[in-house]
Amino acid sequence: DQQVKQNSPSLSVQEGRISILNCDYTNSMFDYFLWYKKYPAEGPTFLISISSIKDKNEDGRFTVFLNKSAKHLSLHIVPSQPGDSAVYFCAASGTGTASKLTFGTGTRLQVTL
Amino acid sequence: DVKVTQSSRYLVKRTGEKVFLECVQDMDHENMFWYRQDPGLGLRLIYFSYDVKMKEKGDIPEGYSVSREKKERFSLILESASTNQTSMYLCASITGGSGYNEQFFGPGTRLTVL
Repeated sequence: DQQVKQNSPSLSVQEGRISILNCDYTNSMFDYFLWYKKYPAEGPTFLISISSIKDKNEDGRFTVFLNKSAKHLSLHIVPSQPGDSAVYFCAASGTGTASKLTFGTGTRLQVTL
Repeated sequence: DVKVTQSSRYLVKRTGEKVFLECVQDMDHENMFWYRQDPGLGLRLIYFSYDVKMKEKGDIPEGYSVSREKKERFSLILESASTNQTSMYLCASITGGSGYNEQFFGPGTRLTVL
């Protein structure tokens, strides 16, 4: 049972435009959400996070939105740059398991010139 | 600068061999994790450890074991490698405590079992 889902395996966006990556979860015990970025042959690197007491968190070009009632979060990248081309993983953590993360299947973002 | 290192970037082994994957972190983190990453399946948790000599099964522990003899080192062992264990293996660590923090990942080991 996939508790964290990223239904779009890939996304192509033009440089300068907005990239929107989506993530859905089923476990209502999740209360902390993270996005990781992964380049080929490298480990994932942390990008941005949000706790369930917020509905938005912003860090430079990256903004994460959380809709708890819909169990949905999204990552917005504005403006998109070629260096943003990577695989993006959504992850979730729950109360009492603060260190253990459940990951989605990933979305491959390609930013074209 | 935080660092998680893994003993090999690429490894080729034969079916039936015993395989050791080593992970070392220099951040004095209590918690360490082993994942495997496969296309279309994301990162799946194999085992994790909250403290020295402690281990807990993740979502896909079958065919694997782990060892944590020192705080900074977490080893993944494939007792008898099989072709379906060909994958990218990722180690991660995180500080303990009640606060939420991100996990830090190593560069990964691409294991091929022939």
